[in-house]
Amino acid sequence: EADIYQTPRYLVIGTGKKITLECSQTMGHDKMYWYQQDPGMELHLIHYSYGVNSTEKGDLSSESTVSRIRTEHFPLTLESARPSHTSQYLCASSEYMAGLRGVPYNEQFFGPGTRLTVL
Amino acid sequence: GESVGLHLPTLSVQEGDNSIINCAYSNSASDYFIWYKQESGKGPQFIIDIRSNMDKRQGQRVTVLLNKTVKHLSLQIAATQPGDSAVYFCAENRDETSGSRLTFGEGTQLTVNP
Repeated sequence: EADIYQTPRYLVIGTGKKITLECSQTMGHDKMYWYQQDPGMELHLIHYSYGVNSTEKGDLSSESTVSRIRTEHFPLTLESARPSHTSQYLCASSEYMAGLRGVPYNEQFFGPGTRLTVL
Repeated sequence: GESVGLHLPTLSVQEGDNSIINCAYSNSASDYFIWYKQESGKGPQFIIDIRSNMDKRQGQRVTVLLNKTVKHLSLQIAATQPGDSAVYFCAENRDETSGSRLTFGEGTQLTVNP
């Protein structure tokens, strides 16, 4: 089982609140990711990081922000939550993936997710 | 049971039958593919992967087939069990100079009937 943790697992909050979703991994992985997923639907990448002090926006535009001050920690923050932010947020991590020319690939390991409901 | 066409949101099979879940990927430059299984209320779990220099890879009760000509990926589950009921996602990786990213396809809900 992957050593990647997310808290809280469930969160119900009112509109306008600031929230931070926590993600931590103990595998020493350089790469970390945040995905947004509606029930039964595909995963959309919203943020990723290739290491400390590295953050990039993903394919799906998001009003959230992330930080990567420590290798093991990749929190996601919403400054002012809205009902449109209601979704499941999944965190993942992986080691460096090289091309076919070199190092074998490693898959992304996922946390259990945070189900966010904004009223 | 088999999902037909490029993608079918649901697949229902009888316990003990073989299941085939299909996936079409979009980028001919993708060089690595993964199948994930996601049970209700949990994060996706790795099932099996395959590199683009292979066309078949087998695991325990699962086989992944890759057809690069038509950009098609399939997951075969032998002797499907109730515990296999979940949503299955394929994901493709592009080896970019900026690093690696996975793009996920739409999931297929597999239901195994006893």
